[in-house]
Amino acid sequence: EDQVTQSPEALRLQEGESSSLNCSYTVSGLRGLFWYRQDPGKGPEFLFTLYSAGEEKEKERLKATLTKKESFLHITAPKPEDSATYLCAVRRGGGSEKLVFGKGTKLTVNP
Amino acid sequence: GAVVSQHPSWVICKSGTSVKIECRSLDFQATTMFWYRQFPKQSLMLMATSNEGSKATYEQGVEKDKFLINHASLTLSTLTVTSAHPEDSSFYICSAAPRTDTQYFGPGTRLTVL
Repeated sequence: EDQVTQSPEALRLQEGESSSLNCSYTVSGLRGLFWYRQDPGKGPEFLFTLYSAGEEKEKERLKATLTKKESFLHITAPKPEDSATYLCAVRRGGGSEKLVFGKGTKLTVNP
Repeated sequence: GAVVSQHPSWVICKSGTSVKIECRSLDFQATTMFWYRQFPKQSLMLMATSNEGSKATYEQGVEKDKFLINHASLTLSTLTVTSAHPEDSSFYICSAAPRTDTQYFGPGTRLTVL
């Protein structure tokens, strides 16, 4: 069974304090690992898609990396507006379009 | 690009009534749309996959007679919660993928059943 585990469940940072979020996964034939940001009461907002080990993608203060077992979302010099829940999801191979989500990491960045 | 809308954004209804939620892809066509529900402080759980012109595929444990899905066109899917009860209160979110692997999500619909 496909599984996605995110850690930590919650993370508090001071503005400017860099850190990383972890997403460990077990899936048959990975066909994409996805990072989303979700603000309270809203739908998830797409951030990144990663397909193969060694791949990296960046967007502003965020950088996502992928290995064969896990993905990291690195946040450099975060700002209060980066506060949100970050969700990781995987899509298996074999033609399925289904995403399996982790429970998310709630990030709070204090000014 | 890749914008998905939902309507309504929130709805309150009495127990036993039915509620319809619309999901639209605004700038792309989607042969497949997805419906999720999310309980407070929990992650997204896939309810069903909506296929244009054919029957929806429901996840295990989801009552197909209670959650009716219609994918009438390449830009519109609807979810009808029939005979709603308080335990159906939740945050319902749809998504669609514009010919890519990436799903884009709507803003969600908060359903409260009294």
